[in-house]
Amino acid sequence: SQKIEQNSEALNIQEGKTATLTCNYTNYSPAYLQWYRQDPGRGPVFLLLIRENEKEKRKERLKVTFDTTLKQSLFHITASQPADSATYLCALVLRATNKLIFGTGTLLAVQP
Amino acid sequence: DAGVTQSPTHLIKTRGQHVTLRCSPISGHKSVSWYQQVLGQGPQFIFQYYEKEERGRGNFPDRFSARQFPNYSSELNVNALLLGDSALYLCASSIHGGEKLFFGSGTQLSVL
Repeated sequence: SQKIEQNSEALNIQEGKTATLTCNYTNYSPAYLQWYRQDPGRGPVFLLLIRENEKEKRKERLKVTFDTTLKQSLFHITASQPADSATYLCALVLRATNKLIFGTGTLLAVQP
Repeated sequence: DAGVTQSPTHLIKTRGQHVTLRCSPISGHKSVSWYQQVLGQGPQFIFQYYEKEERGRGNFPDRFSARQFPNYSSELNVNALLLGDSALYLCASSIHGGEKLFFGSGTQLSVL
């Protein structure tokens, strides 16, 4: 069956440390993968997009890797801050359909 | 510039009723997608419209329907509401669909 799995348990880290979130998928062949941030009661906000032929993408303190062999993406936030506390969602974009399929999200809590 | 706007923000209905949710995309965006998000889960794809044509449909019953108007705004209709339809309904717009999505804050629907 097709699945997108993210860390189901909340990730608690200390301010200043690097947060690493995982997104694993099975039985999908995505054209590309996206990461979104969602705060309580709000819609998701786009962060980064990485294509299947890209290994790594960076934007300020954010870094995403994409391994199509392992069927895994890692999302890193360096020098984390309490303001980074939110739920982070990965989403696959399927070929031909342009349909976005979301994972369940990982709640990140950065402690001051 | 205005972002994606959704109305109403909150709605309470009883079982068996129908509901219409509305969405105005960002100016210049021709694609609108609808998602259902249950607490603790990632958004689930319902519909995608591009240039007033349905481009994709998720695994939702025929009680769910949508349309896109000439000004690219969109409506999501749900008939014969069930308790399980209680969720946050998110609308997202994009220029063509599939690339990064811009989400509204959603409509919180409660079915009693």
